[in-house]
Amino acid sequence: DVKVTQSSRYLVKRTGEKVFLECVQDMDHENMFWYRQDPGLGLRLIYFSYDVKMKEKGDIPEGYSVSREKKERFSLILESASTNQTSMYLCASRGDRVPGNTIYFGEGSWLTVV
Amino acid sequence: AQKVTQAQTEISVVEKEDVTLDCVYETRDTTYYLFWYKQPPSGELVFLIRRNSFDEQNEISGRYSWNFQKSTSSFNFTITASQVVDSAVYFCALSVPGGSQGNLIFGKGTKLSVKP
Repeated sequence: DVKVTQSSRYLVKRTGEKVFLECVQDMDHENMFWYRQDPGLGLRLIYFSYDVKMKEKGDIPEGYSVSREKKERFSLILESASTNQTSMYLCASRGDRVPGNTIYFGEGSWLTVV
Repeated sequence: AQKVTQAQTEISVVEKEDVTLDCVYETRDTTYYLFWYKQPPSGELVFLIRRNSFDEQNEISGRYSWNFQKSTSSFNFTITASQVVDSAVYFCALSVPGGSQGNLIFGKGTKLSVKP
């Protein structure tokens, strides 16, 4: 079975802090994603990576950056956390860029910025 | 542009009732893929089913069934004899070739509460 693991389930950070959310997948998938989930807004794509060191902006990249130095790991970075970034963050992976392939999700990271 | 609409924000049923979750999609592509995911309170999105646009056969898996109708652009999900463990948020999603990053376009989800 595909396993997507997010390192932190629950985080509380202060405004202005630099925050790292880590995600690792164990199926040698090329594609990895970071989504943000908010009540009433559903899931919104922040960034997508289709290969090591390659990335594309999603729908809401402002205030975020990403890093993909190794195939299995995709990090989401909040350079200077703000309270409006309090949210649930979901990492996902997919075998290749075929849209019919299933995207597998991690358990989510609940981030609170105070 | 692609769009997925889940008009039901929340549904509440009593255990053993049947319940149908609606999903309506919009796309001009002739090739596309539809998905359903379940998100229990723990947070992880669990893949339930994938259907491509050329396969209109309905699918049944235990108490779950899916009705795909291209004529109405709908991909509805029915749970028969619901159970408390079915309580979750359910997302319908659409993916098209050449779509933005090949990602999924999600509906906003339907929260299902099954009461004992």
